[in-house]
Amino acid sequence: KAGVTQTPRYLIKTRGQQVTLSCSPISGHRSVSWYQQTPGQGLQFLFEYFSETQRNKGNFPGRFSGRQFSNSRSEMNVSTLELGDSALYLCASSGTGARNSPLHFGNGTRLTVT
Amino acid sequence: TQLLEQSPQFLSIQEGENLTVYCNSSSVFSSLQWYRQEPGEGPVLLVTVVTGGEVKKLKRLTFQFGDARKDSSLHITAAQPGDTGLYLCAGAKVETSYDKVIFGPGTSLSVIP
Repeated sequence: KAGVTQTPRYLIKTRGQQVTLSCSPISGHRSVSWYQQTPGQGLQFLFEYFSETQRNKGNFPGRFSGRQFSNSRSEMNVSTLELGDSALYLCASSGTGARNSPLHFGNGTRLTVT
Repeated sequence: TQLLEQSPQFLSIQEGENLTVYCNSSSVFSSLQWYRQEPGEGPVLLVTVVTGGEVKKLKRLTFQFGDARKDSSLHITAAQPGDTGLYLCAGAKVETSYDKVIFGPGTSLSVIP
């Protein structure tokens, strides 16, 4: 069974630009969550999608948005990039997103904003 | 303010030593999970604990969920270099219908051969 795939692995952008990250969950998984990981803040929850609907949202500004397609693949978009957006962005999928469901993580997209 | 606190933040020990990592919160969680993350990779689930007071063992790793479901510990016996990594605890909050999983800041463990 293929794992969670995130593309691209590395990305360098300039302040003010926008970026789109992609996540393909494990086949059959309907829940996709996004996290931002930085050395200072650790893993911060961005949002979770289930069956194309945003089900949970973290405390990030509106510049961070996402969507999920009918095949459960998900994209995350960050507009008007800031230097502080430099981070490892992790996507995780789970079967239903119900309590105690394990999260299966991809290896992340490393975003650097210059 | 971190909803979940982990201690210690960094730990460097010799191969063969024992260690304990703690995960604490003032909030109650419906479940708590432990993950290990190695450089360049995403976190990988080690265990899920659900019941207050629950103890689970995974080879040399022992996980305990506090009676009040607010804290947890991870004990490693006879640590090996392969145990090196970032250990993350993650709690699923009780009050929402579909839990939002919150991660602690992690404990970075280095086991020296």
